Amino acid sequence: QKEVEQNSGPLSVPEGAIASLNCTYSDRVSQSFFWYRQYSGKSPELIMSIYSNGDKEDGRFTAQLNKASQYVSLLIRDSQPSDSATYLCAVALFGNEKLTFGTGTRLTIIP
Amino acid sequence: GAVVSQHPSRVICKSGTSVKIECRSLDFQATTMFWYRQFPKKSLMLMATSNEGSKATYEQGVEKDKFLINHASLTLSTLTVTSAHPEDSSFYICSASPGVTSGNTIYFGEGSWLTVV
Repeated sequence: QKEVEQNSGPLSVPEGAIASLNCTYSDRVSQSFFWYRQYSGKSPELIMSIYSNGDKEDGRFTAQLNKASQYVSLLIRDSQPSDSATYLCAVALFGNEKLTFGTGTRLTIIP
Repeated sequence: GAVVSQHPSRVICKSGTSVKIECRSLDFQATTMFWYRQFPKKSLMLMATSNEGSKATYEQGVEKDKFLINHASLTLSTLTVTSAHPEDSSFYICSASPGVTSGNTIYFGEGSWLTVV
């Protein structure tokens, strides 16, 4: 059974610190990995996508992928209160737009 | 950038009636769109894959006769919840992608809150 697992949290991080979000997936053939941010009552918003092993950085966000360990993470540097949201990890087969979502991690940045 | 729009954003309907939700890709064509449902504090669950010009593909456990999907053009897919019941109350979200040219980036609509009373 294809699964994507995340710690549901809540995860509380002081403002300015690094927030670390983790995700594991069970389907070894997965090739595309995404992190979405979802504010309460709103639709998910794409934060990062990653397809190759290693790190990918975009501003304050860094996605890390380790296919051997079937693990993908998201680091948020210099956390801001506006980063408080639920972060969803999503996985897909390459070129397949059907996403399998994790349950999401609720992140709270404490001012 | 690519935008996916849903309408209505909120709808209240009486139990037993049907309600239609539209999903439009505003500046790209999408041969495939996806419909998700999300209950409060839960993750998104894929309901079905909407295919332009052909029948939708439903996920296991999703009733195709209850959740009618029509993908009549390359920019529009509709989800009709038929004979709605209170347990159908949920947040319905569609997604679409411009395809390989965008790195297969997937865009979500704003979502539609359905309340069945």
